[in-house]
Amino acid sequence: EAGVTQFPSHSVIEKGQTVTLRCDPISGHDNLYWYRRVMGKEIKFLLHFVKESKQDESGMPNNRFLAERTGGTYSTLKVQPAELEDSGVYFCASSQDTRTEAFFGQGTRLTVV
Amino acid sequence: GENVEQHPSTLSVQEGDSAVIKCTYSDSASNYFPWYKQELGKRPQLIIDIRSNVGEKKDQRIAVTLNKTAKHFSLHITETQPEDSAVYFCADLDTGRRALTFGSGTRLQVQP
Repeated sequence: EAGVTQFPSHSVIEKGQTVTLRCDPISGHDNLYWYRRVMGKEIKFLLHFVKESKQDESGMPNNRFLAERTGGTYSTLKVQPAELEDSGVYFCASSQDTRTEAFFGQGTRLTVV
Repeated sequence: GENVEQHPSTLSVQEGDSAVIKCTYSDSASNYFPWYKQELGKRPQLIIDIRSNVGEKKDQRIAVTLNKTAKHFSLHITETQPEDSAVYFCADLDTGRRALTFGSGTRLQVQP
């Protein structure tokens, strides 16, 4: 069974540019989460999809971040325009049920210079 | 909102010794507490979890204890090995958000 996959694994962009991260959850997992880890800190919740609907996006830092999950399969997280403080590792996770194990992707390391 | 505090931030032990990592949480309705291990350059992976209807759970060299009254839970690793070196994250299920809230992580280093 394929796990959660994220693309790209690394991205280096200049301040002001746009970046789009992609996450492919485990097939059949309705729940998809985006998290971010800034250097040395906790893995912080960004948002939660149930199928194609945003269940909770209270963790999104500001309106420069836009997440979509059209069709309820893969998800994208766009940062536009990127700022220096957006640097970090962005993780995606999926689960079959909110009460069961969440499986993580390998993360996208975003560096804004 | 829900808050999870994790201590220590770094932990160094000699191979064969035990390691203990502690977390406290604020949401009294939380009922699911997983622990994730993240090795360098790899994804976080679930190593053990506990639900609120039990006080302790063991899986070989790792165990987790939960004290719901005090709202804290701990990870215990016995007979540590170099391959246990990693960052460990505790988490709980935020019942309002229905997503995991993580602690800040503990970097465990096992010295051979």
